[in-house]
Amino acid sequence: QQQVKQSPQSLIVQKGGISIINCAYENTAFDYFPWYQQFPGKGPALLIAIRPDVSEKKEGRFTISFNKSAKQFSLHIMDSQPGDSATYFCAASIRSGSARQLTFGSGTQLTVLP
Amino acid sequence: EAGVAQSPRYKIIEKRQSVAFWCNPISGHATLYWYQQILGQGPKLLIQFQNNGVVDDSQLPKDRFSAERLKGVDSTLKIQPAKLEDSAVYLCASRTMGRYEQYFGPGTRLTVT
Repeated sequence: QQQVKQSPQSLIVQKGGISIINCAYENTAFDYFPWYQQFPGKGPALLIAIRPDVSEKKEGRFTISFNKSAKQFSLHIMDSQPGDSATYFCAASIRSGSARQLTFGSGTQLTVLP
Repeated sequence: EAGVAQSPRYKIIEKRQSVAFWCNPISGHATLYWYQQILGQGPKLLIQFQNNGVVDDSQLPKDRFSAERLKGVDSTLKIQPAKLEDSAVYLCASRTMGRYEQYFGPGTRLTVT
C-alpha cells in the first residue's frame, strides 16, 4: 500500500513536444505529491508539487494533473527542451506519528531530441 | 541560502570495510533524512531524524548501518561492514518544520568491490 507506480520507464520526445509521465498510488492517506528532477551525478531537485484537494497545478512549462478518485497523477512538460533531459521521479508523502515520509516511484528517464 | 552539503562525493571501498558519510542540512531545518538510491531506482528512505532524535529507522539495516545526529545539525551515516549490495548513492535531505518540501544534497556515490 506504500507503493507508487510510475510509467513509462523511459521516454523520448522531440524538442517542442509534450512529455507525459504517469504515477499511481494505493494509500489514500498520502497527502502531498511532489515531482523531482534528477540529472546524472546530482541529487533530486524538487520541481513541482500538489496537494490532493487540487486537480491541477501549473508552474511555467510544468503541470501536474491529479485525479483523486482514480488515485493517479501525472506530470506534463510542455514545449520540451533538450535541457529537460533527466530522470523524473514522482513521490507521495504521508505522515506517520511524528514522522513524515516520502515514497518514490521508480523513475522515468526522459530524453528530448534536438 | 546554502543547500544540503554532503561529503565525500565518491568513495570506493572493499567489502567488509567500514565507511562513513557526512551531511550538513539547510540551516534551520529540524528534520533530516538519509536515503539509499540504487542505480536505476528511486531513493529509498533509511532513517529520519527530528532535531537529534530518531523518528523512523524501520528501514535501516541495523546489523550494519548506523546513523547519528548528535547536536541536531550535522549527521553521519556509517556502514560496517560493507557488502557488495551496499553500492549505491547515499542521499541526505532536510525539511523545515511545518513544511512538506524535502531538499536533497548531491549524494555520496559508494562503490563496494
